[in-house]
Amino acid sequence: EDQVTQSPEALRLQEGESSSLNCSYTVSGLRGLFWYRQDPGKGPEFLFTLYSAGEEKEKERLKATLTKKESFLHITAPKPEDSATYLCAVQANIQGAQKLVFGQGTRLTINP
Amino acid sequence: EAGVTQSPTHLIKTRGQQVTLRCSPISGHTSVYWYQQALGLGLQFLLWYDEGEERNRGNFPPRFSGRQFPNYSSELNVNALELEDSALYLCASSIGMSYGYTFGSGTRLTVV
Repeated sequence: EDQVTQSPEALRLQEGESSSLNCSYTVSGLRGLFWYRQDPGKGPEFLFTLYSAGEEKEKERLKATLTKKESFLHITAPKPEDSATYLCAVQANIQGAQKLVFGQGTRLTINP
Repeated sequence: EAGVTQSPTHLIKTRGQQVTLRCSPISGHTSVYWYQQALGLGLQFLLWYDEGEERNRGNFPPRFSGRQFPNYSSELNVNALELEDSALYLCASSIGMSYGYTFGSGTRLTVV
């Protein structure tokens, strides 16, 4: 069964304290891995798409990397405005149809 | 460019009632996806519409249904509401899976 597991469930950091979020997946034939940011009560906001092992994408303080079994979202010198839930999703072929399967998310809090 | 718009933003319904949620995709996007996000849970796939046809549905009972109109807007209908249907219902549109989804801000449904 296609699965996406994110860890940790919650992470609290001090402003400027770098860290990484993990997304491990089991999917038959990865077509793409997506990272989203979600603020409370809002819809997810697209961050990155990764397609193949070794690929990296960067945006401001965020960098996403991909291996054959997991992806990492590295946060460098975070600021309080980076506080949000970060969602990972994989593109899977389920019952002959493509769709995104989401992980449970990591709730990130950056304290000033 | 207008994003994905959903209406209403909030609503409260009584158990047993019926509700209709609406979604307008980004101009040019033909696929619409519906997800349920219950409190503390991840995004659960509900329905996928493309070119007016239902392409796939998630593991939800038949009282969850919907349709897509010729202008690609979509409705999600939920009959015989139950307390556990209380959730944030998110609509997303896409021009193609490889480009990821763009989400709306969601409709917060509370069933009392």
